[in-house]
Amino acid sequence: GNSVTQMEGPVTLSEEAFLTINCTYTATGYPSLFWYVQYPGEGLQLLLKATKADDKGSNKGFEATYRKETTSFHLEKGSVQVSDSAVYFCALSDQHGQNFVFGPGTRLSVLP
Amino acid sequence: DTAVSQTPKYLVTQMGNDKSIKCEQNLGHDTMYWYKQDSKKFLKIMFSYNNKELIINETVPNRFSPKSPDKAHLNLHINSLELGDSAVYFCASSLTGQFYEQYFGPGTRLTVT
Repeated sequence: GNSVTQMEGPVTLSEEAFLTINCTYTATGYPSLFWYVQYPGEGLQLLLKATKADDKGSNKGFEATYRKETTSFHLEKGSVQVSDSAVYFCALSDQHGQNFVFGPGTRLSVLP
Repeated sequence: DTAVSQTPKYLVTQMGNDKSIKCEQNLGHDTMYWYKQDSKKFLKIMFSYNNKELIINETVPNRFSPKSPDKAHLNLHINSLELGDSAVYFCASSLTGQFYEQYFGPGTRLTVT
């Protein structure tokens, strides 16, 4: 079946550090890929998405590129802020749109 | 404008009670979901409805029963609450198809004592 694997957290960084959160997936065909963010006490919000191979999703300084050859969708940001502290979820929707799968989440803490 | 709303936001109740959580979306979506999030933030899908029809019904105790009166509403009723039911429950909605993201409600924190 389809699955999503993320690097285990928590990840702790200093403000202005470079961020990478790894995400790899297993799926048949060509799924769509998503990153969601959950701030404390809130629901999940879409951060960015990519719907085909080599697409790059970007939003709020975050980027992720859909790599079919390595089945990966790693999240990056060049300079994190304290306000980026949250839990980040990688997710996929299969090619039929019937199966939406979330990874286990990675908690990010950014220290001033 | 609220996109996906849930009520109540907090629910504290005793073991053995029956409770309901309501969800409404005003986005015109045709698919709605219920998720359970545990204390480690792991998200588990419970149910999915498309145009009021049950599509996904994961391995969930039959004490949990979803009801979709129309495309904009998906309620969750829980019978005979147990301590292990304590979690945050999220409702979400989307358009049908692989390219569409899900929109989440703010969550309902259920505490069973």
